[in-house]
This record gives sequence, structure tokens and C-alpha cells, in this order.
Amino acid sequence: GQNIDQPTEMTATEGAIVQINCTYQTSGFNGLFWYQQHAGEAPTFLSYNVLDGLEEKGRFSSFLSRSKGYSYLLLKELQMKDSASYLCAVRDSNYQLIWGAGTKLIIKP
Amino acid sequence: DAMVIQNPRYQVTQFGKPVTLSCSQTLNHNVMYWYQQKSSQAPKLLFHYYDKDFNNEADTPDNFQSRRPNTSFCFLDIRSPGLGDAAMYLCATSGPLTTDTQYFGPGTRLTVL
Repeated sequence: GQNIDQPTEMTATEGAIVQINCTYQTSGFNGLFWYQQHAGEAPTFLSYNVLDGLEEKGRFSSFLSRSKGYSYLLLKELQMKDSASYLCAVRDSNYQLIWGAGTKLIIKP
Repeated sequence: DAMVIQNPRYQVTQFGKPVTLSCSQTLNHNVMYWYQQKSSQAPKLLFHYYDKDFNNEADTPDNFQSRRPNTSFCFLDIRSPGLGDAAMYLCATSGPLTTDTQYFGPGTRLTVL
């Protein structure tokens, strides 16, 4: 079966750096997405990786290793508004998005 | 601004009483999706349209139906809501390429009494 694994919850301090990991086992691979979802709201797109390596976008970076079935989202200079769930999703060989359950990130002052 | 709009944002219905959720988009995207998301769970794809072509996920209950009368609008009909159907319903759109990103509307929170 297809599977996306992320930690359920993480806690970090305002101003710090946090890394949210995602491992996947899917039938084929056509890209990996990270979305941010605040409580009670819809997911918003953060990043897309299809090749190995690091993609940087302001305070957020996303890394992919296809051989290891692994990605991480790195958040720097954490702000209170970064408290949210972060969802990892992989597009499989049928071009369907397979979603993880999300990592709830709690930021403390 | 180009966007995905969902109405209503909150819907309360009674057990067994049909309900319709709506989604509209100004992005002119070919593909529209309906997802169900329960608390602390991954979004679950119910169905999607590629233009007028309807694609139903194998495990989507018959209780859920959808209509897409034109490019801009898509509706989710729940014929006989049960308590287990209480969830956030998310509409998303994307361009025609398989690499295109999905963009989500704000969601409709459905409560079943």
C-alpha cells in the first residue's frame, strides 16, 4: 500500500529553527508537496520538490531525497503565526496526490 | 484576485437531510477536486473533474454525488448525511498538467445533528 509518515506533533520556540520530516512509500513518484494548514482553514501551498536537493523560499526550505523516500521542511526564525499543521503530499505514478496526516507544530514564546 | 470560493463556510444539517455544498473558482482551472477532511487526518479525495469528465474514487460512498455545470462551479451533494459525514469539505482546483499545484478554497465545515 501507499504510505506517508510524518510526526504527529512538534513543539518549538519562537525565533528558533524546526525541521519536519516526511517519509513516503508510494507507487511511483511525480513530485512532493508541502502545505500549511491553520486550524479550521484550508491547506495553502508552500513548496514543491521533484528533483533531489534543497529548495529555499524565504524562511521556508524543503529538501528531497528520492532514493531514500524522504523529505523535510525547514522553518527558520519561527514566528507565532507559524503554529499550524504541515502536510506532506506525494504525487504517485497515477498522478494522484497521496496525503500524510500532517504534523501539528506548536510554537512557544 | 483569482481564487477558490466555497459556500457556505459552515453548514448544519440534520441526520438524513440532503445538503449541497458549492465551490466556484476564478482561476479558470480545468480540474476541480472535492476532499473530505476529519480532524487531525489527511484530506481524503472523494472525486475530481477534468473538465466535464467525472472521476469517482473507488471508496467514495454512493451517498456522495457531484455536479459540475460549467468550468467555474462544482457542487457536492450529500443525499442522506450521517453522523460520520461531519467533517471539513475542501474544494481544490488545478491546471491541466499533472505537475500543477492544487489550490484550495477555505472549506465548508459540516455538522450533522
